[in-house]
Amino acid sequence: LAKTTQPISMDSYEGQEVNITCSHNNIATNDYITWYQQFPSQGPRFIIQGYKTKVTNEVASLFIPADRKSSTLSLPRVSLSDTAVYYCLVGDPILTGGGNKLTFGTGTQLKVEL
Amino acid sequence: NAGVTQTPKFQVLKTGQSMTLQCAQDMNHNSMYWYRQDPGMGLRLIYYSASEGTTDKGEVPNGYNVSRLNKREFSLRLESAAPSQTSVYFCASRPVGRGQGPHGTEAFFGQGTRLTVV
Repeated sequence: LAKTTQPISMDSYEGQEVNITCSHNNIATNDYITWYQQFPSQGPRFIIQGYKTKVTNEVASLFIPADRKSSTLSLPRVSLSDTAVYYCLVGDPILTGGGNKLTFGTGTQLKVEL
Repeated sequence: NAGVTQTPKFQVLKTGQSMTLQCAQDMNHNSMYWYRQDPGMGLRLIYYSASEGTTDKGEVPNGYNVSRLNKREFSLRLESAAPSQTSVYFCASRPVGRGQGPHGTEAFFGQGTRLTVV
């Protein structure tokens, strides 16, 4: 699995756009980039997944440059309820057997204030 | 659909006691996972099961055993609990390959088991 590096913490204010960048220099050809969100006392939940360029859903956007060595999760107009830990994962989503390992790093603690 | 169900939600053990954490999913997923999360830390993979009948060690397997009883159930056993195993334990499942669910390969997590070993 490709190693990922993301900031330990970020602070923002309500209504601002937040961009969290993840570095994954050793990403493999078949790897996808997936982001999860975790609220206190809950298990993580899937936010978004992408392979290249830009992916957008109702929650966030994911920007992936051409070299795919990094990716940026963008949260538009955050609110207090977006305070959570955000994890970036890189891997081949269709690997079977031992390749199906799913590991999380330490994530980025986002704190949104009024 | 209940998703991923973990039991119990809370447990207090004495050092040396044993217990089994139960996890069941009703989404017909092939892969299942057990994680622990210590306060202020990220999730660490204990064991995983890529498919029914197989289990593999994760990042922190020492002190734990697992059983993939069938496709639905994946249990985690602490044979002799230690205070260092005080943590929140999460179970997760996900499909192998494309297909199930709107996102295809996302992992679904249970609500966690908060375990305290005194």
